[in-house]
Amino acid sequence: KAGVTQTPRYLIKTRGQQVTLSCSPISGHRSVSWYQQTPGQGLQFLFEYFSETQRNKGNFPGRFSGRQFSNSRSEMNVSTLELGDSALYLCASGRAGTVQETQYFGPGTRLLVL
Amino acid sequence: AQSVTQLGSHVSVSEGALVLLRCNYSSSVPPYLFWYVQYPNQGLQLLLKYTSAATLVKGINGFEAEFKKSETSFHLTKPSAHMSDAAEYFCAVMVQGAQKLVFGQGTRLTINP
Repeated sequence: KAGVTQTPRYLIKTRGQQVTLSCSPISGHRSVSWYQQTPGQGLQFLFEYFSETQRNKGNFPGRFSGRQFSNSRSEMNVSTLELGDSALYLCASGRAGTVQETQYFGPGTRLLVL
Repeated sequence: AQSVTQLGSHVSVSEGALVLLRCNYSSSVPPYLFWYVQYPNQGLQLLLKYTSAATLVKGINGFEAEFKKSETSFHLTKPSAHMSDAAEYFCAVMVQGAQKLVFGQGTRLTINP
């Protein structure tokens, strides 16, 4: 069974631009979560989607948004990029989005904002 | 609020020595705890998880962790370190009701030959 895939793997943008990252969960998984990883702040939760609905959201500004499609694939969008948005963005999928199940992580998209 | 604290941002051990990575949690409800490993330029891979079934949890690659409620700890151990264990390790707690993982700051493990 294929794992979580994320595209693109690397991305370079300039301040003020917007970016869209994509995540394809493991087949049969309906929950997709996004995390931001930076050296200073560590791993921080962005949001979680289940059956096309955002169920939970972390403490990030409205420039960060996402959506989930009927096939459970998810996209994350960041508008008006800032230098501080440079990070590794990780996507994780879970079968049913329950509290005790394992979240499986993709390889991440490394975003560099210049 | 649920949280985890990893003691020691860097741990260095010799090949063949015991690996001990420390994690303490804070939770007002029975926690669901996880250990993940991250190799350079990769995502997170689950090592093991605690979901109240057994206090001693065995994971992949010879790692195990023991849940100690009295000490609010979930330390990760491996009897004999291997060079391939060099990586960053993250302890995490699942926040109930929010379906999100809260991670510790991570511990970078270095293995000396």
